[in-house]
Amino acid sequence: EVHLLESGGDLVQPGGSLRLSCAASGFTFNSYAMSWVRQAPGKGLEWVSSISDSGGTTYDAASVEGRFTVSRDNSKNTLFLQMNSLRAEDTAVYYCAKFWGRSAAAGGRVDYWGQGTLVTVSS
Amino acid sequence: DIQMTQSPSSLSASVGDRVTITCRASQGISNYLAWFQQNPGKAPKSLIYAASTLQNGVPSKFSGSGSGTYFTLTISSLQPEDFATYYCQQYNSYPYTFGQGTKLEIK
Repeated sequence: EVHLLESGGDLVQPGGSLRLSCAASGFTFNSYAMSWVRQAPGKGLEWVSSISDSGGTTYDAASVEGRFTVSRDNSKNTLFLQMNSLRAEDTAVYYCAKFWGRSAAAGGRVDYWGQGTLVTVSS
Repeated sequence: DIQMTQSPSSLSASVGDRVTITCRASQGISNYLAWFQQNPGKAPKSLIYAASTLQNGVPSKFSGSGSGTYFTLTISSLQPEDFATYYCQQYNSYPYTFGQGTKLEIK
C-alpha cells in the first residue's frame, strides 16, 4: 500500500526558511516522479513543484520559482521541499503526491497523496 | 497558463440523487484531465484520470467524460460519504492547474 508522510511544517516568520520532507513507502520510490501541491486555508488546490524519478528534472510554479527547491534522496525514499524567503501567502497545507510514472513531464498525472503538513508564515 | 473553471461552485443534493459537475478549460487539453475528491480536513483522493478512466478502487458510480475543453464528472446514487468537494485538474501542460472546486452538500 502506498504511504506518503509529510513532516516539517511549522510557524515561521516572513522571510524565513523551512524544509519539508515526505517519507514514502509501499512502492519503489526511485521509479516514480513526485510532486508538491498546496492548499491555503479555506482555498483550493495549487500545484507547486514536480520532480522526475532521478531528480534530474524539476518544474516549479511561477509563484515559488527562485524561492522553493524540490529535491529527493532515493536512498532514503524521501522527497523534500526547501522553502526560502517565505511570505504570508505561502501559508498552506503542503501535500506530497506520487506520479503514476517515472517522468514529471507534462502529461504525467498524480495518483496518490499524503496527508499534508501545515506551514504558517506569520510574525 | 490554462484556466480551469468548474460549475457549479456548490451543489445541494439528496442521498440517492445523481449529480453532474462540469469543468471547462481555457484551451484544449485533449483528455489530460483528472478529478479529485476531498473531504473536510483530509487529503485529496484521486478519482478519475484521462478524463474518463477510474482510478483503481474507485466505484463505478463515478464517471467522467469529455475532451478538449469541456468535461463532466457524474456521481450516481449519492451516499453520505460522497458529500465532499470535487476538483478537476489539467495535466496537459505546466503549470498544472486546478478548478476552484465544487462543494457537494446534503440537501
